[in-house]
Amino acid sequence: AQKITQTQPGMFVQEKEAVTLDCTYDTSDQSYGLFWYKQPSSGEMIFLIYQGSYDEQNATEGRYSLNFQKARKSANLVISASQLGDSAMYFCAMREGFYIPTFGRGTSLIVHP
Amino acid sequence: NAGVTQTPKFQVLKTGQSMTLQCAQDMNHEYMSWYRQDPGMGLRLIHYSVGAGITDQGEVPNGYNVSRSTTEDFPLRLLSAAPSQTSVYFCASSAPDRRYEQYFGPGTRLTVT
Repeated sequence: AQKITQTQPGMFVQEKEAVTLDCTYDTSDQSYGLFWYKQPSSGEMIFLIYQGSYDEQNATEGRYSLNFQKARKSANLVISASQLGDSAMYFCAMREGFYIPTFGRGTSLIVHP
Repeated sequence: NAGVTQTPKFQVLKTGQSMTLQCAQDMNHEYMSWYRQDPGMGLRLIHYSVGAGITDQGEVPNGYNVSRSTTEDFPLRLLSAAPSQTSVYFCASSAPDRRYEQYFGPGTRLTVT
């Protein structure tokens, strides 16, 4: 079974609007971490945001926020005020305990002007 | 700080040839890992290391070998290349004091004909 599920292969959003990228995870560990990475067409992997399982508040980094719903095991990425430069692949990842992170299959986001 | 470096950037191999993908990091990170990225599959973990002299298998280890003789270097060896190993390979490093956030290299695009 997949540990990280990203159900949206592709998403479209109008510039300046907000968009939510879905991520659900599966773990029985109490201690885990959730990450989102961005991969533009140039190919590099860019870290966006992190949420620890014991963090009570949702993580925020500039225009990025992570909507963490522990009981539902979801960790959705919210991008506010989308920009053309946000067009990229987005990957959700989970670290269980001290293990190396497992990645989802990604969501392709296209921002329209 | 160069971060994580990978060589080569591009490589074409014939079936049956062997080669080594190089990875080095200058951040003194304990953990290093190799992922492969294929369209629609996200990043899948090949092998990882939690310190010099310690390596373990990830999700898709077959056909690959690793060793970790120093903290800085983590080469990935393809023993007998197959077309199924055509992929983009990412090396990453991480450390506990950075929440195990993965720092990625720029990737190596490998084609096996």
